Parts: sequence; structure tokens; C-alpha cells
Amino acid sequence: DSGVTQTPKHLITATGQRVTLRCSPRSGDLSVYWYQQSLDQGLQFLIQYYNGEERAKGNILERFSAQQFPDLHSELNLSSLELGDSALYFCASSVGLAGGTQFFGPGTRLTVL
Amino acid sequence: AQSVTQPDIHITVSEGASLELRCNYSYGATPYLFWYVQSPGQGLQLLLKYFSGDTLVQGIKGFEAEFKRSQSSFNLRKPSVHWSDAAEYFCAVGARTNFGNEKLTFGTGTRLTIIP
Repeated sequence: DSGVTQTPKHLITATGQRVTLRCSPRSGDLSVYWYQQSLDQGLQFLIQYYNGEERAKGNILERFSAQQFPDLHSELNLSSLELGDSALYFCASSVGLAGGTQFFGPGTRLTVL
Repeated sequence: AQSVTQPDIHITVSEGASLELRCNYSYGATPYLFWYVQSPGQGLQLLLKYFSGDTLVQGIKGFEAEFKRSQSSFNLRKPSVHWSDAAEYFCAVGARTNFGNEKLTFGTGTRLTIIP
């Protein structure tokens, strides 16, 4: 158990819908990262937040957004969902801004029908 | 931009045999290097990491990896595998961005199958 929690574990929805994935980092970690794992793209970095502020963006679609709240939990919002958004979405956390180990949560498996 | 190559998509090893998983990276500076393991339906668990210093790093579950700058490699090894080692293994490089933060770039993974 990494100490990073993600909810829900599974999510099934339809195209065009919007969903919210939630992540709680390890106690004391200020950075939260979101990654997408799909069969065709592999594991890709989406976005990083540090202490409530967005700090880095990767291959994140404009239909996706995220935020980190004052209690440091983070949410990833996916809207206008397409079949290709079906994937495993991981959250990771680390203590600082950089140079530390990222600990991963168990992931949320999103299926878009 | 940084990249990671894991040339072996799938490896099959007999239980008790030795294991080496290959990883090559591309990065302009000294990288932070990681190996993660993912069991079916599970998240990613950190096996070991290299930040600096001794180029041979020890990890959990009896794994070790050696950083070879001249070969841009960070291969994972284990002297004797156990059936419970069957999983997918990911090599990753951590690269600093211009803002001082960091993202991980992952390889495509190597699926390890253990046969009795």
C-alpha cells in the first residue's frame, strides 16, 4: 500500500459524458501527478500540481482538467468523453516539487461505451 | 526530450533462473532513473531508483539495477526469480523541467512470465 488513494476504482460511462476522478496523496506529500495508461499510448504524464498550483503539463487534452484543493487532494475532470479515453488513470504523489520518488495509487479504470 | 526504451516486450523465465530486463534512456543531463512493477489489476510499485552516487542500486524483493552512463542503460537484474515476480516492469526517467519540477517518462514495459 503506497498510501495514495484513488476513487472510484472502476468507472463505466457513455460517450459525451463527464466524470471526475479523485486522488488523495500520501500524508505530507505536496505534489500530485496524474498519468494515463492505455494500450496504444502506454503510460503518459498528464499534469502535476504542487501545493495547489499547476506546475507542469504533459499530454493532457483540452477536454481534461485538474485541480488540487487546500487539503491537497486532487481531482481530474474528463469531459466530452470519447471511446479513446478508456484507460487506467493513475495518481502519484511526492514530497516536493522535484527530485523525489513518486508513489502511485491503485488507479481508476475508466471505460467509455 | 527524454525517452525510455525497453526493447523486450515479453520475457519468459524459469523459476529460479536469473533475470535481466533491459532499459535504455535518452536524456541530456544526468537522469533520475526508476524501475516500477505493476501486477495485474494493481498500481505501480517502486522497485528501486537511482539519483546519484553508487551506480549499482539495490531495491526491494531482491532486485538490483546498474546505471551505465556510457551505455545510457539502467538494466534490472535478479539472481533467482520467484513465481510471484510475474508482472509488468516499467523503466522510467525523471527529468527536470525549466520550472524545476519533474515528470516521469516511462518505457513501454516488459511483461515477465515465470514458468515452473
